[in-house]
Amino acid sequence: AQKVTQAQTEISVVEKEDVTLDCVYETRDTTYYLFWYKQPPSGELVFLIRRNSFDEQNEISGRYSWNFQKSTSSFNFTITASQVVDSAVYFCALSYNNNDMRFGAGTRLTVKP
Amino acid sequence: DVKVTQSSRYLVKRTGEKVFLECVQDMDHENMFWYRQDPGLGLRLIYFSYDVKMKEKGDIPEGYSVSREKKERFSLILESASTNQTSMYLCASKTQGSFGYTFGSGTRLTVV
Repeated sequence: AQKVTQAQTEISVVEKEDVTLDCVYETRDTTYYLFWYKQPPSGELVFLIRRNSFDEQNEISGRYSWNFQKSTSSFNFTITASQVVDSAVYFCALSYNNNDMRFGAGTRLTVKP
Repeated sequence: DVKVTQSSRYLVKRTGEKVFLECVQDMDHENMFWYRQDPGLGLRLIYFSYDVKMKEKGDIPEGYSVSREKKERFSLILESASTNQTSMYLCASKTQGSFGYTFGSGTRLTVV
C-alpha cells in the first residue's frame, strides 16, 4: 500500500526561526518518486521538489532543504530563517507511476512576524 | 503563463442538485485530474483522464462522474449533491509521462 504520513497538523514559528516539516512514507515499490508542494492562501498547489527513490542526495535550494532517508522512509523539509511569506499548507506526496499520486494530510505552517 | 482554470472559486448548491465543476487547461496536456481536499485527509483522487473521452476512477469516485469531450476541458459532475460532498475540489493537468502537475486554484463547494 502507498501511504504518506505528515504527523504535524499545524506548526507555528516566529520569523527567522528554522522549521522542519516531517514526511514519512510507505511503499512496496523499489522505484518511486517523492514530492513537496506548497499551497498558499490563493489555493493552487505550487511544486517545490521531486526526488526519485534512487537519489538519496539531500538538496538545498536557497532557504529550503530536503533530507531524504530511505532507511527511515522519510523525506523531511526544512525552511531556514523562515519568513511570513512561507506561511502556507505544505503537502508531501508519493507516486510510483505517473497517474497515482498519494498526498499526505498536509502541515499548516504559520510564520508570525 | 501556463494555466489551469477552474470556473468557480466558491459555489453553494442545494442537496439533490446536479452540479458541474469545470476545469480548463491551456497547455495541451493529455492527462487531467480531479482531487478533493479535506482537512486532515489531504488530497484524494476522484477521477483522472488520460486523454479525450478516456477516464479512470481514482480512490473515491462514488457519487461523482466526469466528462472529457475536448482535450482542454475536464468536468466533474455531482449527479445528486449531498452535504458530505462539501469540500475543496482541485483540478490538475500534466503531459503524459511527466510528473509536472499544474494545479488550479480550487473550487470550494458547499452543499446545503
